Amino acid sequence: AQKVTQAQTEISVVEKEDVTLDCVYETRDTTYYLFWYKQPPSGELVFLIRRNSFDEQNEISGRYSWNFQKSTSSFNFTITASQVVDSAVYFCALSEAKSSGDKLTFGTGTRLAVRP
Amino acid sequence: EADIYQTPRYLVIGTGKKITLECSQTMGHDKMYWYQQDPGMELHLIHYSYGVNSTEKGDLSSESTVSRIRTEHFPLTLESARPSHTSQYLCASSELLAGVEQYFGPGTRLTVT
Repeated sequence: AQKVTQAQTEISVVEKEDVTLDCVYETRDTTYYLFWYKQPPSGELVFLIRRNSFDEQNEISGRYSWNFQKSTSSFNFTITASQVVDSAVYFCALSEAKSSGDKLTFGTGTRLAVRP
Repeated sequence: EADIYQTPRYLVIGTGKKITLECSQTMGHDKMYWYQQDPGMELHLIHYSYGVNSTEKGDLSSESTVSRIRTEHFPLTLESARPSHTSQYLCASSELLAGVEQYFGPGTRLTVT
């Protein structure tokens, strides 16, 4: 069965600090997809990135970067020079194309607080 | 930008009432989903649909029911609300392709007194 673990429940940083959110996953499929979503206080989940299991290239988008390592089953998310607007709950999620009918399994989320 | 809408955004209702949470999307997506989000943040899939006339139960057992008569509309109904149904309900949609991202609505925060 698929599983996503976000061990960090809450993180608090001061503005301009870099912060890394950890995500570890378990799957028996060879084809799977990993996602990060942001949930600001307004409640809506905002899609940030999707990565498939065959693409281990790291990705950078502005202040956001993602490190995908199959060897350690991790898909970590780093925010560089954090800002107050980054304060939100961040979810990592996994989808197995074969075993689970393409359903998303979410981690429990990491609440990030960025203080001015 | 995703175009998926949920109404109402907030609902406070008494025990025993029947309620329907509305969800509509204008993206022509075949797949739609309902999630329940605990106060402690974790999301659980309670229903999903692959298209018109298709509905499936998710991983978390729920007393709610859903219907999919039109592609764009995926309402969730509780026949008799109870305090244990108090939660945030999030609707999402996606294309039919494997492994694509889901787009979420703003959610309905339901409180049953």
